[in-house]
Amino acid sequence: DSGVTQTPKHLITATGQRVTLRCSPRSGDLSVYWYQQSLDQGLQFLIQYYNGEERAKGNILERFSAQQFPDLHSELNLSSLELGDSALYFCASSVELAGVYEQYFGPGTRLTVT
Amino acid sequence: DAKTTQPTSMDCAEGRAANLPCNHSTISGNEYVYWYRQIHSQGPQYIIHGLKNNETNEMASLIITEDRKSSTLILPHATLRDTAVYYCIVRVAAVYSGGGADGLTFGKGTHLIIQP
Repeated sequence: DSGVTQTPKHLITATGQRVTLRCSPRSGDLSVYWYQQSLDQGLQFLIQYYNGEERAKGNILERFSAQQFPDLHSELNLSSLELGDSALYFCASSVELAGVYEQYFGPGTRLTVT
Repeated sequence: DAKTTQPTSMDCAEGRAANLPCNHSTISGNEYVYWYRQIHSQGPQYIIHGLKNNETNEMASLIITEDRKSSTLILPHATLRDTAVYYCIVRVAAVYSGGGADGLTFGKGTHLIIQP
């Protein structure tokens, strides 16, 4: 158990819909990262937040957005869903250790778009 | 971040040492070597990291060559639960504290299969 929690575990929705995925980082971690893992693209970094502010962007689509709240939990919002958005979505958190740090991943949310 | 090359798959007998190689010939002086693994559809799990010295923790050992162009992750006594995809990632450390850095770049990794 990494200490990172994600809800829901599974989500099934239709094309065109909007969903929200939730992540709670490990206690004390200020950074939250979102990743997408699909069969054809592998594990891809989407976006990072640190203490409520966006810090880095990866291959995140404009239909996707995220935020980090004052209690440090984060939400990933996916809108106008397409079949190709079906994937595992992972959240990770980290704490700074003199600039060298590891990321701790949650169990993921499996999104199925039908 | 430097590019890494790993074998697509490897087999190892249960109880034996599993040695997973990684080539990172373009690594620069301020880049660390990290290893993560992903057991089927679970979240990736951090294993170990190092800069130039060999490192050991409760999970594994990391051997980095003197020229730092390659490294080997060693699982000393592999069990069936070690069957997973192992990712070697090379990245620069955050140059400042308190700010974090961007996400990890995962390649295809090595699918390690532990045989009973």
